[in-house]
Formats: sequence, C-alpha cells, structure tokens
Amino acid sequence: SAVISQKPSRDICQRGTSLTIQCQVDSQVTMMFWYRQQPGQSLTLIATANQGSEATYESGFVIDKFPISRPNLTFSTLTVSNMSPEDSSIYLCSVTRTEQPNYGYTFGSGTRLTVV
Amino acid sequence: QKEVEQDPGPLSVPEGAIVSLNCTYSNSAFQYFMWYRQYSRKGPELLMYTYSSGNKEDGRFTAQVDKSSKYISLFIRDSQPSDSATYLCAMSLGSGNTPLVFGKGTRLSVIA
Repeated sequence: SAVISQKPSRDICQRGTSLTIQCQVDSQVTMMFWYRQQPGQSLTLIATANQGSEATYESGFVIDKFPISRPNLTFSTLTVSNMSPEDSSIYLCSVTRTEQPNYGYTFGSGTRLTVV
Repeated sequence: QKEVEQDPGPLSVPEGAIVSLNCTYSNSAFQYFMWYRQYSRKGPELLMYTYSSGNKEDGRFTAQVDKSSKYISLFIRDSQPSDSATYLCAMSLGSGNTPLVFGKGTRLSVIA
C-alpha cells in the first residue's frame, strides 16, 4: 500500500501567519486529497489536487485561504493562510488506495495545527 | 440532519467485552461502507469495508450493513487494550476517487 509522509507533524503558529504542510507519497498517484479534522467533528474534505491542473475545492473552502500545489505525481502542499484560532485542527492528506478494495483512502499521519 | 450520524462517546469497556459501534445515514445512494481506526496522533487506517448490504467478518471484527434501515455496525469481540482508539465510519457513493463522507468518530477505551 502507498506510504504517505506528512510534515510537519505539529506546529503552533501565531494568528495572521501562514503554514505550509507537505505531503510526500512513495508511489505515483493521480489524485491527492486534503482533509481537515476539527475537534469533535468529522473529517471534512477541503480539496482534491490533480497533478497538472488547479485543485478543486469543496463548498466552504477557497483557494485564497487554502492554496494547494501539486508539482508532480508524488508530492503536494497545502498552505493555511492568514491563520486564526478557528483554523486550529488536524490536517490530513490522503490518496486513493492502491490495493484492494479500490475504494476508501490511505491517510498520512496528519499535521496538528494550533493557532494562538 | 447530518448525512452520517455517529455517537462520539467516549465508550469505556473492560477487556474481553464485546463492543458495538454504530452509524446511521440519510443518503440511500451510499454503496460502499468502511470503518477506520485512528490511534492518537496517527492518521485513520482502513479497518473494515463492505459493499452494499450484508456482514463481513475479519478475526475479532465484524461489520454489518443494513441498507433498509440505513444503519451500519462494527462489532469487536474479545476487546483488547490495543483496540483503544477512535473509530470512524465512512461511506461513499462509488469506488475509486469518489469522496468519502465520515461520521464524527467514537472514542473507545478498553480497560485492562
């Protein structure tokens, strides 16, 4: 199965600053997904990142706040811009499973972000 | 009404107990049903998966889907302290890159 390395694992940031989260996959994948996991809430899809095209954002998420890069088939970044305490959350990248079953995702370990 | 409802717990059981975790959903078009396990400071990992209705057993774990009631369950037999984690149900309309819809997760503690 694909192995996902996500960095940083955690960070404490000042409000108004930005943080870029990196996601590296050990195999080439077409699509990468970014999720947010807020305390006491379900995982929410932020956007889908296709290599070579603009990311597709879900309702409630905008590119200015969460710009995404996807320079190649094994790497993606998510930036959380102009942070506020409401952005404190766990951010997870994921890819479609490369083994059976062919549904559901493989997730990275997540980035635990605290904004103060 | 949220698309997927899951009691967040926490649920605390003694070692060896049978654990029952449940989710209800509102969209009858969901076809693929999954349970993820998430340990502290880790990403979710796929634990059980079922297509459409029915039961599936894997060791101490059994997943059940009742599409007529829009209700899915995960049973853990002979629970162990290592089962202590958050369990998230998830479902999707299709396979491949179809987005998942998650429940909030149930935090389980198995006490030795």
